[in-house]
Amino acid sequence: EAEVAQSPRYKITEKSQAVAFWCDPISGHATLYWYRQILGQGPELLVQFQDESVVDDSQLPKDRFSAERLKGVDSTLKIQPAELGDSAMYLCASSSTSAVYEQYFGPGTRLTVT
Amino acid sequence: AQSVTQLDSQVPVFEEAPVELRCNYSSSVSVYLFWYVQYPNQGLQLLLKYLSGSTLVKGINGFEAEFNKSQTSFHLRKPSVHISDTAEYFCAVSQPVNNDMRFGAGTRLTVKP
Repeated sequence: EAEVAQSPRYKITEKSQAVAFWCDPISGHATLYWYRQILGQGPELLVQFQDESVVDDSQLPKDRFSAERLKGVDSTLKIQPAELGDSAMYLCASSSTSAVYEQYFGPGTRLTVT
Repeated sequence: AQSVTQLDSQVPVFEEAPVELRCNYSSSVSVYLFWYVQYPNQGLQLLLKYLSGSTLVKGINGFEAEFNKSQTSFHLRKPSVHISDTAEYFCAVSQPVNNDMRFGAGTRLTVKP
């Protein structure tokens, strides 16, 4: 069964350092999402891509966060510089054009900023 | 914009007992509704979804949910839970027009032997 892949699974970094997360969606899925999930809360959308274009990045803290999906397939989310409050689970999801409402999630990257 | 309220942050229950996890939503337009399950340090797995049609929706692992438009609710139920059902459960709502999905804060289901 096809799955969304994410790496790394866990990341510990010091504040003010740069960190990057990678996501490979299910093959053929045109829509890709990055969510942030703070411990004890539900996921919140950071950015949504349709192919290589950003559809919604209204909740992305653009002073320190950036996201790209250059070839419309895999995607990278970067934080620079990391702050203590960025400690969270970062989830990637994808959906197909025929069923865009049905999002499939990857295992996530657990970020700890010290 | 739409929003979701999960009425219970934690639900403890004994094995083989029935369980109901409550979810209310708010939206001025028609919505799609979802329940996801999350096991520790893992991503979210779709349990079931309501798009249209029958208000009783059956999902995986023996779960079902009922869409009640008048009460704007989408409660999740299982007649007999197992230890392995211990997890975090998230209710979510999205608008078909823009696929903007909003999640509730989650309900921690703990099944005790």
